[in-house]
Amino acid sequence: NAGVTQTPKFRVLKTGQSMTLLCAQDMNHEYMYWYRQDPGMGLRLIHYSVGEGTTAKGEVPDGYNVSRLKKQNFLLGLESAAPSQTSVYFCASRPTGGGSMNTEAFFGQGTRLTVV
Amino acid sequence: AQSVTQLDSHVSVSEGTPVLLRCNYSSSYSPSLFWYVQHPNKGLQLLLKYTSAATLVKGINGFEAEFKKSETSFHLTKPSAHMSDAAEYFCVVSAPTSGTYKYIFGTGTRLKVLA
Repeated sequence: NAGVTQTPKFRVLKTGQSMTLLCAQDMNHEYMYWYRQDPGMGLRLIHYSVGEGTTAKGEVPDGYNVSRLKKQNFLLGLESAAPSQTSVYFCASRPTGGGSMNTEAFFGQGTRLTVV
Repeated sequence: AQSVTQLDSHVSVSEGTPVLLRCNYSSSYSPSLFWYVQHPNKGLQLLLKYTSAATLVKGINGFEAEFKKSETSFHLTKPSAHMSDAAEYFCVVSAPTSGTYKYIFGTGTRLKVLA
């Protein structure tokens, strides 16, 4: 049981390049999330999805796009990378709400992205 | 709206002494509360969660937290620190907002354990 898997683990981009981060979960979870982690700021929500085909903006969505074409996958795209997007990105998932309010989020191992 | 404040960005303790990491929360609803730990260059691991069944919650590796509604606090404690406890700890609040569950993180507390 792999849980939440993020691809790639590390990446270096040049300013202006594009890339896609892949998050895959095998727990049949409805909710999926993308966070970024920066020193002293904790984790901040970029985008999230409450089910296949749905996406919504989080706290810091600018410069990112997402897609959830399949229930198990949640993609995070950077169309034109900027140095300010240098960060560690975490994907997470959780089961459906309603009666499972106390359910924790399950996190991937993170993707360390550097934009030069 | 939900928010969480971790009152100390860094905490240093000697091995074998108690650990106290402080967390205050704000929530319009009865919240769910969690503590996660992140060891250097690793992912996030759940330490414990508040499920409203009991105000004192026991987690892994000897950690526990007490939910105090009157103080809106959820402080993390451990009776005796071990070197392996050195890590960053995040307090997290979650509550339904417009039918959606989001997890709001504190800014983290870095725990240093001195030999």
